[in-house]
Amino acid sequence: NAGVTQTPKFQVLKTGQSMTLQCAQDMNHEYMSWYRQDPGMGLRLIHYSVGAGITDQGEVPNGYNVSRSTTEDFPLRLLSAAPSQTSVYFCASSYHRRDEFNTEAFFGQGTRLTVV
Amino acid sequence: QQQVKQSPQSLIVQKGGISIINCAYENTAFDYFPWYQQFPGKGPALLIAIRPDVSEKKEGRFTISFNKSAKQFSLHIMDSQPGDSATYFCAAYRRGGADGLTFGKGTHLIIQP
Repeated sequence: NAGVTQTPKFQVLKTGQSMTLQCAQDMNHEYMSWYRQDPGMGLRLIHYSVGAGITDQGEVPNGYNVSRSTTEDFPLRLLSAAPSQTSVYFCASSYHRRDEFNTEAFFGQGTRLTVV
Repeated sequence: QQQVKQSPQSLIVQKGGISIINCAYENTAFDYFPWYQQFPGKGPALLIAIRPDVSEKKEGRFTISFNKSAKQFSLHIMDSQPGDSATYFCAAYRRGGADGLTFGKGTHLIIQP
């Protein structure tokens, strides 16, 4: 099993450019999410999805869009990149059974994005 | 609104010593409290977790202590080793909640040989 795969690992964008960060998981997890990690700020939730066709906003959604057309894939789109979006982005997936505590989140290796 | 507060931000411990990281939460609906470990260049990975119906959970050198009345929990690393040097995140989860894990801001732990 590959687990959670993120591409690319590194990316440099110019202000105003758009791009899509890819995330794929092969564990048949219902729940997928995107976090950004900034020094001293921890992991902040951008968007999440509880299943195909269902997405919702997290703590810091502005400037990002997501879609979930399949269980496996959960891409994150930056519509018009800004320097404030310079960060390390992590995708995560987990089971999402409401009556269980088994919610271990499996993270990808991250995408380091720099916007100049 | 920061729902999970973590301290200290950074910690230096001598090899063989005890590392202690503390977290406090505000939302009493949280009912699952995991700790994640992150090495440089890697994604976080689950280290150990506790449910609020127990006060302590131990796995090897790692122990979570949980105080429900104070809404606090802590990670203790016994006999700390240089390989434990990493960033540690506490988190909280509400069973049935759709918004997943709420993370603390992280503690950068350095174990000096």
